[in-house]
Amino acid sequence: SQQGEEDPQALSIQEGENATMNCSYKTSINNLQWYRQNSGRGLVHLILIRSNEREKHSGRLRVTLDTSKKSSSLLITASRAADTASYFCATDDLNRDDKIIFGKGTRLHILP
Amino acid sequence: DTGVSQDPRHKITKRGQNVTFRCDPISEHNRLYWYRQTLGQGPEFLTYFQNEAQLEKSRLLSDRFSAERPKGSFSTLEIQRTEQGDSAMYLCASSLGGQETQYFGPGTRLLVL
Repeated sequence: SQQGEEDPQALSIQEGENATMNCSYKTSINNLQWYRQNSGRGLVHLILIRSNEREKHSGRLRVTLDTSKKSSSLLITASRAADTASYFCATDDLNRDDKIIFGKGTRLHILP
Repeated sequence: DTGVSQDPRHKITKRGQNVTFRCDPISEHNRLYWYRQTLGQGPEFLTYFQNEAQLEKSRLLSDRFSAERPKGSFSTLEIQRTEQGDSAMYLCASSLGGQETQYFGPGTRLLVL
């Protein structure tokens, strides 16, 4: 089954730096979503990008989608301590409109 | 707060006992999803509903698991004869429809002793 795989698995950066996380998937999709999860909490939706879109922005977040390479990236600019969390990408299936599949996530740690 | 609520937030039970979790989705959302998440992993799909109809069940959902959404609003997930391997976070999400953003509840953390 298709699955988003995030890279790297873990990332530590200094506060104020930019953080980039990547996601690769296997099959054609309708859309790709990025979520954030603080330790032991539920998931917070960040951005949904559709297959006909190449880039979306939301505040300090920038998401790109390259359907030819079946990959996406999430850029967090000017990182803050509060950005420390796990970040997951989730993809659906082009030929269905049901479930989404999550990757294992990137654990981001912002150092003071 | 996404508008999706789950109850209880934490549950500790002994092996062999039955447990039931509840999810209240965002009111106008007709899709409701259940996921399971273990430490260090992403959420794994269990099942989903379109209104009151259960449309798909994962192979992860053994016959000890049952989910209902009787009136197309709240949903319950029951685990019978719990096993230690059932210990996980159980997450519920809702959406307006397929291919739309899923909004997650805070989860129910289950510990089976």
